[in-house]
Amino acid sequence: AQKVTQAQTEISVVEKEDVTLDCVYETRDTTYYLFWYKQPPSGELVFLIRRNSFDEQNEISGRYSWNFQKSTSSFNFTITASQVVDSAVYFCALSRFSGGYNKLIFGAGTRLAVHP
Amino acid sequence: DGGITQSPKYLFRKEGQNVTLSCEQNLNHDAMYWYRQDPGQGLRLIYYSQIVNDFQKGDIAEGYSVSREKKESFPLTVTSAQKNPTAFYLCASHGPIYGYTFGSGTRLTVV
Repeated sequence: AQKVTQAQTEISVVEKEDVTLDCVYETRDTTYYLFWYKQPPSGELVFLIRRNSFDEQNEISGRYSWNFQKSTSSFNFTITASQVVDSAVYFCALSRFSGGYNKLIFGAGTRLAVHP
Repeated sequence: DGGITQSPKYLFRKEGQNVTLSCEQNLNHDAMYWYRQDPGQGLRLIYYSQIVNDFQKGDIAEGYSVSREKKESFPLTVTSAQKNPTAFYLCASHGPIYGYTFGSGTRLTVV
């Protein structure tokens, strides 16, 4: 079975602090994709990153960075020098690598509150 | 601009009433999905469609129905059989170039 666990329900930080959002996944597939999405109060899902199972390189995009470790089935997300605009719910998701049907399995989400 | 349009943004349903949520995409994607989001929970798959005139149940299809008569459109009907329909509903599509694209959601409330 496929499953995504985001153990942190809510995180509260003060602006400029670094914060890491944890994501642990379970899958029997050898090829799969992992995603992070941001959901601001307006509700839409904003795509942040997609990583395929063959690429374990860490990625950095501005203040955002991602640490993918297959050995621990984790795909953690770090925000450096957090800002109030980072306040949102963040979802980690897993999908099968397939040319046909693709289903996203979501974690429960982590609500991040960044205070001035 | 290409994307997914969901309407209405807010919807109120009376007990025993069926309501239909609209989802339209102009991305030329074959695959479309409906997800339900409850507070403190992740998104759960209701129905999906890989091609016109074909759709499959997801994890929580009871009390819902869909149709896929056109590639661009995938409406979701919340029937009176759905006992707890108050939730946030997100439509998505998937294609080879843009990957997953989500709409802005419909918030349904039973009154």
